[in-house]
Amino acid sequence: AQSVTQLGSHVSVSEGALVLLRCNYSSSVPPYLFWYVQYPNQGLQLLLKYTTGATLVKGINGFEAEFKKSETSFHLTKPSAHMSDAAEYFCAVSDEGGGNKLTFGTGTQLKVEL
Amino acid sequence: AAGVIQSPRHLIKEKRETATLKCYPIPRHDTVYWYQQGPGQDPQFLISFYEKMQSDKGSIPDRFSAQQFSDYHSELNMSSLELGDSALYFCASSPTTSGNTDTQYFGPGTRLTVL
Repeated sequence: AQSVTQLGSHVSVSEGALVLLRCNYSSSVPPYLFWYVQYPNQGLQLLLKYTTGATLVKGINGFEAEFKKSETSFHLTKPSAHMSDAAEYFCAVSDEGGGNKLTFGTGTQLKVEL
Repeated sequence: AAGVIQSPRHLIKEKRETATLKCYPIPRHDTVYWYQQGPGQDPQFLISFYEKMQSDKGSIPDRFSAQQFSDYHSELNMSSLELGDSALYFCASSPTTSGNTDTQYFGPGTRLTVL
């Protein structure tokens, strides 16, 4: 069974500081990995995804993530946090081939302080 | 660009009542997924449909049923509602023949409150 673990349910950074949200996955087959963002009372918006190919993937709003097979990780980063980045972030995994259910991590609430 | 549409956005029901949630996928998306997100929890997969057939099933209670229609919209029917059914219900869609077949696009959700 696939799973993802997000370390840190709450992360707080200063505006302009580096954002690092951690995600480790467990999968018996090559995984497809995703990061979604959820603003209060809204749906899930795709930030970025890794399927195959380049292991460093760039997403929207200046976010990027690197797939590291040796570390089974897919951490999300952004060089400089903005107040508008405050939201909940979910890492998710699905099977190779897509079209399959997503298994989400428990989420990380990002707080950005002045 | 067109997005996934869910209706209603908010629904309040009493215990033991029934509820029907509707999902209209992005045009040309033939796969629909339903997820349930309890308060402060991560979304949990309920069920999915491809070409009007159930393609996968997760932790969906027997009191719930769902189907996909010929126009690809889907409905989630929930009966004998319990307090614990109060949650945000998301629908997502994805294409399977072209485009980003590996990506699910989520709707805004239906917030169900059971009193």
